[in-house]
Amino acid sequence: SQQGEEDPQALSIQEGENATMNCSYKTSINNLQWYRQNSGRGLVHLILIRSNEREKHSGRLRVTLDTSKKSSSLLITASRAADTASYFCATDASGGYQKVTFGTGTKLQVIP
Amino acid sequence: GAVVSQHPSWVICKSGTSVKIECRSLDFQATTMFWYRQFPKQSLMLMATSNEGSKATYEQGVEKDKFLINHASLTLSTLTVTSAHPEDSSFYICSARQNLGRGLGNEQFFGPGTRLTVL
Repeated sequence: SQQGEEDPQALSIQEGENATMNCSYKTSINNLQWYRQNSGRGLVHLILIRSNEREKHSGRLRVTLDTSKKSSSLLITASRAADTASYFCATDASGGYQKVTFGTGTKLQVIP
Repeated sequence: GAVVSQHPSWVICKSGTSVKIECRSLDFQATTMFWYRQFPKQSLMLMATSNEGSKATYEQGVEKDKFLINHASLTLSTLTVTSAHPEDSSFYICSARQNLGRGLGNEQFFGPGTRLTVL
């Protein structure tokens, strides 16, 4: 089953622009992670934000987490053609059986 | 970070045969491992969770007799797709949880995936 939904499903922007992707989830979490996946390849871990954190930065990435709204956003600033990929949020549910489940993903295309 | 490997990276087999995929945590002990499946243009779907030394817990809709999971040691879990059919063709990704103790992250680390094609 899918824990999270992401929007938009697909996004196409020009190189240099910022890209924002949103993730909403259903249950309480320990942490939320963002992953990137190039077509047909494995996952690349981008960033992890814990439930007691509200914002985190890593290079051109900025992640926010609002546990009251059960939502997170990933912002990629000054996008590059190489950022073209699918991006997934993944939540680590708290309580009970700990397991990471993935959102539906956003397919980002950065046009050079 | 912790490293998880999978073997093989890709496999092509005939319909009706069984295929075994290995998942190893290389530099840490993982009491829990997870298996995911990803169809083209879709997200990852959790198939099952396995704890070392006990039976795997399967997600709803996943056939336990078709997808056999063995977690024989703290660093190795295997997924066997029995009597594979073309509809089982997919990208299979494993993940291992590093148990750091109470109150710590206990994060999951993902393997690079195995692409299975059943002819």
